[in-house]
Amino acid sequence: AQSVTQLDSQVPVFEEAPVELRCNYSSSVSVYLFWYVQYPNQGLQLLLKYLSGSTLVKGINGFEAEFNKSQTSFHLRKPSVHISDTAEYFCAVSNSGGSYIPTFGRGTSLIVHP
Amino acid sequence: GAVVSQHPSRVICKSGTSVKIECRSLDFQATTMFWYRQFPKQSLMLMATSNEGSKATYEQGVEKDKFLINHASLTLSTLTVTSAHPEDSSFYICSARLGRGPITGELFFGEGSRLTVL
Repeated sequence: AQSVTQLDSQVPVFEEAPVELRCNYSSSVSVYLFWYVQYPNQGLQLLLKYLSGSTLVKGINGFEAEFNKSQTSFHLRKPSVHISDTAEYFCAVSNSGGSYIPTFGRGTSLIVHP
Repeated sequence: GAVVSQHPSRVICKSGTSVKIECRSLDFQATTMFWYRQFPKQSLMLMATSNEGSKATYEQGVEKDKFLINHASLTLSTLTVTSAHPEDSSFYICSARLGRGPITGELFFGEGSRLTVL
């Protein structure tokens, strides 16, 4: 079985400041990792994904994440946030060789203040 | 590419009535679609996996007779909430998996449907 832990339920930050949203996972097999963003009353949009290869992956809207196998982490970062980045962010993991149905974390609410 | 459209985005109904929500993959064929329910400030709860041409697989605790899922074609899955009650009020989101290429778990989501049962 796989699981995802997003340690922070809410992250407040000022505009133009850097931000890191944390995600840790557990799995007994190789994984695929995803970050999704959800704006109010909308579905989820893929920000970025790690499938294989380089552990540093870049996504849309200036976000990037680093896969750390030894620490079983996939933290999301952005060097300078905008007001428009205020949203809910979900980390997800799926098992390679399994059902490929992703498991989602509980989400982190990023709140960007002016 | 890989656009999923969900309709309606909002629906208000009276207790006891049934409501149908449609999920369409607009530019790809989706052999597998997933239906999620999301409570306020919470994560997505997988309700069922919908496979084209076969019966849906429901997660434990989800009432099959309450939440009817039909995946009649490679581009359309529907969720019908039967005899809806106020406790069924929620945000329902569908998602689809590409029917081609390697399977990775990446999903493409609809816009969500907010159901309010009075």
